[in-house]
Amino acid sequence: EPEVTQTPSHQVTQMGQEVILRCVPISNHLYFYWYRQILGQKVEFLVSFYNNEISEKSEIFDDQFSVERPDGSNFTLKIRSTKLEDSAMYFCASSEGSQGGVRPQHFGDGTRLSIL
Amino acid sequence: GNSVTQMEGPVTLSEEAFLTINCTYTATGYPSLFWYVQYPGEGLQLLLKATKADDKGSNKGFEATYRKETTSFHLEKGSVQVSDSAVYFCALSARGNQGGKLIFGQGTELSVKP
Repeated sequence: EPEVTQTPSHQVTQMGQEVILRCVPISNHLYFYWYRQILGQKVEFLVSFYNNEISEKSEIFDDQFSVERPDGSNFTLKIRSTKLEDSAMYFCASSEGSQGGVRPQHFGDGTRLSIL
Repeated sequence: GNSVTQMEGPVTLSEEAFLTINCTYTATGYPSLFWYVQYPGEGLQLLLKATKADDKGSNKGFEATYRKETTSFHLEKGSVQVSDSAVYFCALSARGNQGGKLIFGQGTELSVKP
C-alpha cells in the first residue's frame, strides 16, 4: 500500500538555526498538510497546501514557517530560526481530495525535532 | 470554534475486555468524524470514519456511530487484544476533508494486559 514517507526520523538542531523537514506524499494525492505534536499535547494543524499554494494555516504557522513543493514529489516544511518551543513531532499528511465523498488523510511516521 | 474532547487516559484493560473510548465534538455544520490510531513509534493510521449522522464506521473489530443528537462518536470494541495497545485519537474535519484540516482530541492511551 502506498505511504507517506518523512525524513529524517529525528533532527537535532541548535536554537536559531534553520531546519527543513521533508515529506514525500502519496503520488496521486492533491492535498498536503503539516501537523505537529508537542510532547504530551494534542496533534495540532499547521498548514494545508493545494495547487501549489497554502489553502489554510493556523496561528502557529507564523513568518518563521514556510512550505514548498519544489518538485513533483517532495513537500517540505522550513523553520527559519528555530526556538526551543519548536521541539515537537512533526507529521506530514496527504489526501486525494476530490469532489464528493470523503478522502481521509494519510500520515507519515513523523520527524522528531529537538531544539537545543 | 470547532473542537474535540476525548476521555482521559491511560485506559488499562485485560485481554478480551470490552472497550469504550468516549469522544464528543463541537462543530458548526456537519463535520466528518474519524478515529486514528498511533502504535508505538509509528505515525497516525486511519482506523475508521463516518461522514453523516447515524453512519457507523467499523474496522478491525472497532466501531463508532456518528450521533448528531449527542454530538458524540464513541469508539467501541467487544474484545480487545494486547496488539490493540496504542494511542487513539478522535478527529473531525469541518469540510468533509476536501482539503479541510483535521482537529484532534487529546488522544487516549490504551494498554491491554494479557
